[in-house]
Amino acid sequence: DTGVSQNPRHKITKRGQNVTFRCDPISEHNRLYWYRQTLGQGPEFLTYFQNEAQLEKSRLLSDRFSAERPKGSFSTLEIQRTEQGDSAMYLCASSPTSGRTSGSYEQYFGPGTRLTVT
Amino acid sequence: GQQVMQIPQYQHVQEGEDFTTYCNSSTTLSNIQWYKQRPGGHPVFLIQLVKSGEVKKQKRLTFQFGEAKKNSSLHITATQTTDVGTYFCANGGSQGNLIFGKGTKLSVKP
Repeated sequence: DTGVSQNPRHKITKRGQNVTFRCDPISEHNRLYWYRQTLGQGPEFLTYFQNEAQLEKSRLLSDRFSAERPKGSFSTLEIQRTEQGDSAMYLCASSPTSGRTSGSYEQYFGPGTRLTVT
Repeated sequence: GQQVMQIPQYQHVQEGEDFTTYCNSSTTLSNIQWYKQRPGGHPVFLIQLVKSGEVKKQKRLTFQFGEAKKNSSLHITATQTTDVGTYFCANGGSQGNLIFGKGTKLSVKP
């Protein structure tokens, strides 16, 4: 049983550089979410995909951020021209879309990619 | 999803004591999910509450959803060191995205 995986686990970059993170969801899950978490805070929603379609983006997702899920399987999150304020843990989660008649679906989180911008 | 507020922010207990964290909203919530995040780990789903006044139990953990669906609580009986971590409540949005509270960080002194 493979859970959600994320790579790399840690990334240190200099301000102004571009970075890309990858998320591999649980294989049968249609929905994939990206969150950002800073110290002492709960995860903040960034964007989500239903299969390959990006259906919602948070206002937190500035134009320097872009996410893709080209074949409805893995997803990438790219941050261009990184700033020190981008330092955070970037979490990916996936969820099924069947088997429930009420409420939302539980989300399965990956271990995250910790980004440090120097 | 609606914003949710959690209290307390921190709780330090002696092993064996009980622990409760509260989640509140100014508006009616469609559902509440609870997650646990161990130090250095990622959030792990615990449970979802959907119905008004719902109560669910998982061993020493009791989850409640208020009658007005504006608040929820998580109560742990007789805490153990394995309960250490941050407990988050989250409201599920219409598109499935979660709006998390800031969490309650629990530490347990053996």
